[in-house]
Amino acid sequence: AQSVTQLGSHVSVSEGALVLLRCNYSSSVPPYLFWYVQYPNQGLQLLLRYTSVATLVKGINGFEAEFKKSETSFHLTKPSAHMSDAAEYFCAVRTANRDDKIIFGKGTRLHILP
Amino acid sequence: NAGVTQTPKFRVLKTGQSMTLLCAQDMNHEYMYWYRQDPGMGLRLIHYSVGEGTTAKGEVPDGYNVSRLKKQNFLLGLESAAPSQTSVYFCASSLRLRENTEAFFGQGTRLTVV
Repeated sequence: AQSVTQLGSHVSVSEGALVLLRCNYSSSVPPYLFWYVQYPNQGLQLLLRYTSVATLVKGINGFEAEFKKSETSFHLTKPSAHMSDAAEYFCAVRTANRDDKIIFGKGTRLHILP
Repeated sequence: NAGVTQTPKFRVLKTGQSMTLLCAQDMNHEYMYWYRQDPGMGLRLIHYSVGEGTTAKGEVPDGYNVSRLKKQNFLLGLESAAPSQTSVYFCASSLRLRENTEAFFGQGTRLTVV
């Protein structure tokens, strides 16, 4: 069965600093991977997705993620944090098998320090 | 564009009461999902459906039932609510995997069981 593990339930970075949110996946078949963002009292919004076309994926709001099969990772980065990036971020996996469903990690809350 | 609409947005139940949460999508999506979100637990899949008339269990199905009588609607039922079911519930929908899109989410239903 597929799963994702997000390292760090809370991450704090200073405004202007690099953002790195970690996600490792487990899947017996090639996965489709997603990063979602959730702002307070809202639903989830897609940031970016990996579709096996390119290992480096660019998303909205300056975020990007790199798929590394050898490390089973799909870490999310942004070169320079902005106050508006404060939110909760979720990594998710979906696999192309009979048990097709989308499984989420436990989330990482990103805090931006002024 | 409505997307995914959940009703109600808020509800308070007494232990033992029943209720139904309604999810409606207008994107002609085949797949629909119900998740619950709890602090530190991320989103956990309750039940999902890969098409009209079909449902399947997710990670935490106990205490919930679902029905997908119409393609655009996915109902989540609590027959006898328990305080452990206090949570924020999210509905989502997506196309089939081979069409490779992400899940689109509703705004959530905040349920409190007292």
